[in-house]
Order: sequence, then structure tokens, then C-alpha cells
Amino acid sequence: QKEVEQDPGPLSVPEGAIVSLNCTYSNSAFQYFMWYRQYSRKGPELLMYTYSSGNKEDGRFTAQVDKSSKYISLFIRDSQPSDSATYLCAGRGNTPLVFGKGTRLSVIA
Amino acid sequence: EADIYQTPRYLVIGTGKKITLECSQTMGHDKMYWYQQDPGMELHLIHYSYGVNSTEKGDLSSESTVSRIRTEHFPLTLESARPSHTSQYLCASSDTGVSQPQHFGDGTRLSIL
Repeated sequence: QKEVEQDPGPLSVPEGAIVSLNCTYSNSAFQYFMWYRQYSRKGPELLMYTYSSGNKEDGRFTAQVDKSSKYISLFIRDSQPSDSATYLCAGRGNTPLVFGKGTRLSVIA
Repeated sequence: EADIYQTPRYLVIGTGKKITLECSQTMGHDKMYWYQQDPGMELHLIHYSYGVNSTEKGDLSSESTVSRIRTEHFPLTLESARPSHTSQYLCASSDTGVSQPQHFGDGTRLSIL
């Protein structure tokens, strides 16, 4: 079993939609969770960073962590064509980050 | 804004050549990492360093080697490139502390003919 599982998509939504991206993880030692956004031919860019369980909001983005079910989510409100990218979830404990495969998102104008 | 630079951005080279991929960061981060990323696949950690003269192998076995002689510089070397080394290589760095996130460069896309 991979430590971080993520549906690779692709996911296609109309502009303005609410997008829900999800990951599951298996390592109980994970305490720090991150979402990265990666545009084509660019490196991953840190989008959201959460510690332990709970929610964190930043503009149109909300990250959720549920440690009891080992489930992490990223919500994008009022999605824009510029949100079209691959979104990578990642988790860590005292070790380097472990990444999911990434979900490719297309927001259609 | 993270300042981490990778060169070259793209490299097409023949089999058997020695290759060095450069990675430099200007943030004074102690920790640096090399990941390999194939299309549609997750990032795989191949090397990391927690400081000068410290290097460790990651989860994915790699024929590459790394060195960390200066804090800001973490080059990756392939002594004899093969087509199986074709991939994207991403360098990252983070500050000291387990809670610190990693910041990435834009990668080197390597093609071995």
C-alpha cells in the first residue's frame, strides 16, 4: 500500500464550480500535511500547509485534515481557468515529505 | 517567494555521458532534496541532505550521486547516463525544523538518447 493515495483524475469542471480534491494516507506518524500546485513544466508550488487535524482557509482555498480517518482534502471555491494544474498532496512525520501522484484539474471557461 | 534554481532546464544527451545537474538556493536552508518525477507519477525522493557533508539516499534507488560541500549548492551527478535515466529531476530545500515545508525549483527535464 502506498503511503499517500490520490486519484490522478483528470478532473474537469466549469468555471465557478467548487472543486474537492482528496487524499488518503496510511502512516499514523504523519502530522504535517501540504498541498502543492504544479503547472506544466514548472516545479511544485506550496499552496496550503496544515498541522494535525482541522481546517485552514486561505482565500478561495480550504484545506482539511481528518487524522481519525487519515483523510485530507483541498476545496477550491469559485474555480478559475488559472486553477488548471496538477494538485499534489503530501504528508510527513519526522521524515521527508511523501507525495501522492497528483490530481490533474482542468477548469473550463 | 522561494529562491531555488536548477540548471539546465532541459538536457538532451547521448548514452554514456557524465551529467551534473545543478541546484542552488539562496535562502540559507540546511535541508535539500532531489526528487525524480515521471509523467503521471508521484515524486520519488532519491537523495537528501540535512547539512554540509551530509547526504542520504531516498526511497527510490538511483544510480546518481550527490554532494553537499556548500550550504547553498546540492549538485546531482550521473557518471554514465542511460535511457532509463530519462525523467524530470526536481530539487527542493527547507529550513531546519520538522514543520518546515519544502520549496521546489522548476526542475531539469533530462532525456538520454
